Amino acid sequence: QSALTQPPSASGSPGQSVTISCDGTSNDVGAYNFVSWYQQHPGKAPKLIISEVSKRPSGVPDRFSGSKSGNTASLTVSGLQAEDEADYYCSSYAGNNLVFGGGTKVTVL
Amino acid sequence: EVQLVESGGGLVKPGESLRLSCAYSGFRFGVLWMTWVRQAPGKGLEWVGRIRDKPTRGTTDYAAPVKGRFTISVDESKNTLYLQMSRLNVDDTGIYYCTTYTSGACLLWGQGTLVTVSS
Repeated sequence: QSALTQPPSASGSPGQSVTISCDGTSNDVGAYNFVSWYQQHPGKAPKLIISEVSKRPSGVPDRFSGSKSGNTASLTVSGLQAEDEADYYCSSYAGNNLVFGGGTKVTVL
Repeated sequence: EVQLVESGGGLVKPGESLRLSCAYSGFRFGVLWMTWVRQAPGKGLEWVGRIRDKPTRGTTDYAAPVKGRFTISVDESKNTLYLQMSRLNVDDTGIYYCTTYTSGACLLWGQGTLVTVSS
């Protein structure tokens, strides 16, 4: 069982938006503004798309945005494109360790 | 260009040991923390452990399932990060990735190396 809880799947049509939740606790997501999101395509290594709750690394489209409220973080993908179909994982700093969510498979219909 | 290349994976029997390597380039160790993250077949990501940068004396932290069995170290003369794994069991099977790490985020990932523990 993963430390952070994500829905197993989400979907949307091209051009629509999809939001993925990441539920943690007051010891991880709620305690630190160090929530990250990763995108992983099949057979590939994960790629960082959001750090520190809402910061986008260079080269990541602004269609990806992150937020946090209390013990729950969220990733929103706006204007869905075919290449956004992938697995998405959240993670949070938790003191002396790093915890991940179980992952959400996003399908572009 | 910052690059990470893992190697050393393979098939081992339960109870055996294995050492993974991660050759890094484009930066000096001590500037960034580094981590190991693994992914069991068809499963999600799991943090294995990390090594801090030089200002924090290169100390290490490990996830509970591997603490006491796995050791992370660096050979700066070879620009290589290591993960020494001992007393391996079937639950350690998966792809092992090394990453750079700062502010709670795994910035850059290697391509991964597959470890299979099976009798």
